[in-house]
Amino acid sequence: RKEVEQDPGPFNVPEGATVAFNCTYSNSASQSFFWYRQDCRKEPKLLMSVYSSGNEDGRFTAQLNRASQYISLLIRDSKLSDSATYLCVVRGYSTLTFGKGTMLLVSP
Amino acid sequence: EAGVAQSPRYKIIEKRQSVAFWCNPISGHATLYWYQQILGQGPKLLIQFQNNGVVDDSQLPKDRFSAERLKGVDSTLKIQPAKLEDSAVYLCASSLEFEYEQYFGPGTRLTVT
Repeated sequence: RKEVEQDPGPFNVPEGATVAFNCTYSNSASQSFFWYRQDCRKEPKLLMSVYSSGNEDGRFTAQLNRASQYISLLIRDSKLSDSATYLCVVRGYSTLTFGKGTMLLVSP
Repeated sequence: EAGVAQSPRYKIIEKRQSVAFWCNPISGHATLYWYQQILGQGPKLLIQFQNNGVVDDSQLPKDRFSAERLKGVDSTLKIQPAKLEDSAVYLCASSLEFEYEQYFGPGTRLTVT
C-alpha cells in the first residue's frame, strides 16, 4: 500500500458543482495533514491544514478520520479558478509525504 | 517578503553530464527541502536540512545526487552523472521550522536527453 493514495483524476465538473476528493494514508503514526494546490507548471501552495474536528475555509471543507486513516476535501460552488491539481500531504515525525494529486477541471 | 528563489529555471543536458541547481530560501527559515517532481506525480522529498545539518536524505540517490547547505542558508543540489529518468522539476522549499508551513520556489525544470 502506498503511503499516501488519492483518487485518480481528472475530475471534470461544471461551474457551481460540488466536488469531493479523497485521500488515504498508511502510517497510523502520522501527525498532521494538509491539502496543497498546484496550478499547471507552478509550484505547490498550501490550501489548508486538516484538523481532527474538521475545518472550513469559505467554499472549502476538510475532514480527517484518524480511525480510517482517511482525509477528504470538499469544494462547494466550484469556480473556473479552482481548476488545478490538489495534493494530499501527510506529515510524520520528521517526514512530509505528498500524494500523487488529483486534477480538477472546472468548465463553464 | 521575498519568496524562495531558484536557478536556473530551465536546464537541458545530455545523459552522463553533470548539473547543479541553486536555492535561496526565505530569510530566517531554518528548514530547507529539495523535492523531485516527475510529470504526473506528486513531489518526492529528496533531502531535508535543518540549518546546515541533514535531517532526512533517505530517498536521495546518493550514487549520483548530492546536496549541501553551507552556512545554513543557500543550498545546491547536484546530479552527476545524469540519467534520462532524472528529467523532472526540482523544487526547493523552506519553512521557519519543520512543523511550519512550507513555501516552494518556482522550481527548475530539467530535461535529460
